[in-house]
This record gives sequence, structure tokens and C-alpha cells, in this order.
Amino acid sequence: DAKTTQPTSMDCAEGRAANLPCNHSTISGNEYVYWYRQIHSQGPQYIIHGLKNNETNEMASLIITEDRKSSTLILPHATLRDTAVYYCIAPYGSARQLTFGSGTQLTVLP
Amino acid sequence: NAGVTQTPKFRVLKTGQSMTLLCAQDMNHEYMYWYRQDPGMGLRLIHYSVGEGTTAKGEVPDGYNVSRLKKQNFLLGLESAAPSQTSVYFCASSYSLTFNEQFFGPGTRLTVL
Repeated sequence: DAKTTQPTSMDCAEGRAANLPCNHSTISGNEYVYWYRQIHSQGPQYIIHGLKNNETNEMASLIITEDRKSSTLILPHATLRDTAVYYCIAPYGSARQLTFGSGTQLTVLP
Repeated sequence: NAGVTQTPKFRVLKTGQSMTLLCAQDMNHEYMYWYRQDPGMGLRLIHYSVGEGTTAKGEVPDGYNVSRLKKQNFLLGLESAAPSQTSVYFCASSYSLTFNEQFFGPGTRLTVL
């Protein structure tokens, strides 16, 4: 299993970019990295995923280091609604199970 | 498109009572999952299904049973509820195992007294 490590919490000023790091030093060559977020009391929401290349969609950008041992999720212009717990996940096993650790509590400050 | 819906939203049980949580999805997804989330913790996989009529155990399956009689529905049963099963239960579905974008329901808050 690829284990991921994230900071417990981070703050970001509204309108600024939020950069959320994740370490996944044991990830294997064919394992994707997924990012989800969970806004208070709601079900988790998929954000983005990547394998080797940097990825961007309408919600965020994902930067993966060349050695694939870490990645950074970037919310380019954070808003108050982006306050949530962000999970970095590397699915494993034949069922590609998602293991949600403790994640990073991102608080966007006005 | 309702996405993933869960019934009920809230429930209070006494120890030893039984109940069934219903999850329904209208996206024609093959794969469905049940998770539980305890306060301050991440989600843990209880059971999952890779298709109609098939189910498999996840990380924390003890005390729960599941059934997938119809593709769009995934039921989670508690035969004899215990206080340790007090949690928020989330259902999810996805169209692929290899592309793991899971769509989650709003959750069911269960309290066992």
C-alpha cells in the first residue's frame, strides 16, 4: 500500500493560492494519486488525480514531483467555500480501495 | 440526476436493534461502496460491490452485511446494533475501479444507544 502523509492543518487567505502538500514516498510506478475534499458533514468530493504529469481541471492543479514521492494540490484562488478537509490518496489493492487518512484541514480566512 | 442518495438521513437505535441503510444511484455505475466515518477520522471502507449480485469485504466489515440485488441499489444491514457502530455512514459509487472517481452520497447519521 502506498501510504500518504499530509500536514494536519493549514490556513490560507481568501483570494490567494492554497498549496497543499502530500508525501507518498512508497508509491509504486503505476499507482495514481487522488485528491478528494470533504466540506463539513458532507460526503467527500473528487477533485483531481494524476500519475506522472501535472494535471489541471476547473477546480485545481496537481503538481507531482519527477520521482513521484510527493505532490502538491493547488487551489489557485481560494474562497471561503474551499474550507474543507483535503485528502491525498493512493488507491491500493485489487479493488483499488480508497483509504482516507486524516487529511489536511484547510481554513480559508477572510 | 439525483446522483447518490441515502435513506434515512438520521436514525437512533437501541443496542440490539436491527436496521437497513439504503443507497441508490442513478448513474448506471457498476461499483458501489459503503464507508463509515467516526468523529475526527477519515472514512473507512466497510463493504463494496463490483456488480449486481456481488459483494466483498472492506477494511471494517464485522457487524455489517450488504446486498446488491439491483445494480442501482446497495443495502447495508446492521443485524444487532452496538454503540461502537455509532457513526456517519457514506455510500459511494463509481463507473470504474481503475479510474477511482467515486461519487458520494450525503451520509446517514446513526446513533446507537
